[in-house]
Amino acid sequence: DGGITQSPKYLFRKEGQNVTLSCEQNLNHDAMYWYRQDPGQGLRLIYYSQIVNDFQKGDIAEGYSVSREKKESFPLTVTSAQKNPTAFYLCASSETANTEAFFGQGTRLTVV
Amino acid sequence: GEDVEQSLFLSVREGDSSVINCTYTDSSSTYLYWYKQEPGAGLQLLTYIFSNMDMKQDQRLTVLLNKKDKHLSLRIADTQTGDSAIYFCAENGNYGQNFVFGPGTRLSVLP
Repeated sequence: DGGITQSPKYLFRKEGQNVTLSCEQNLNHDAMYWYRQDPGQGLRLIYYSQIVNDFQKGDIAEGYSVSREKKESFPLTVTSAQKNPTAFYLCASSETANTEAFFGQGTRLTVV
Repeated sequence: GEDVEQSLFLSVREGDSSVINCTYTDSSSTYLYWYKQEPGAGLQLLTYIFSNMDMKQDQRLTVLLNKKDKHLSLRIADTQTGDSAIYFCAENGNYGQNFVFGPGTRLSVLP
């Protein structure tokens, strides 16, 4: 089955530690995105990538980093510089930058 | 910059129709989308409409687009308890960012 997979579903980390969230897609999509969702709020764009080996900052990139070494993978690292990392993180992909996006099931990160 | 607005809450009785409204600012958007999010899950694409269309119907869902007023609506006929979720309106924005999402409308379906 084609789809987009995020892992893990739940993640707990101690304050000050870096953590990497996985996002893999087998849809052969060029574009991939990371969003952050806080309780009762909409989605805010962290980073996006329109093609392999290229990515751009979104609205709230500070404290985050990404890589796009393979077409199917777009991992997100939440660094210790991110002041308030506890949130629900959503990864998405789209065939190109102008087509509909498909989302993974999300990773809920809790930093204690 | 682009902005998408929605009312935050809507309650309807089971069996009634629900209408969720959205306004957007980017007149150059090619597509406008409706997504559904159930608790603790990702977003599911419900439907989308091309900007040169006025209406699109898909089973219980009807999308209306008023491009002049930059107003988009999603009508759900015969609303069921399983329709309770958050509904996001989105446009494909400029500047390569592709999607700008509204804050989401939480639909509660009362028995």
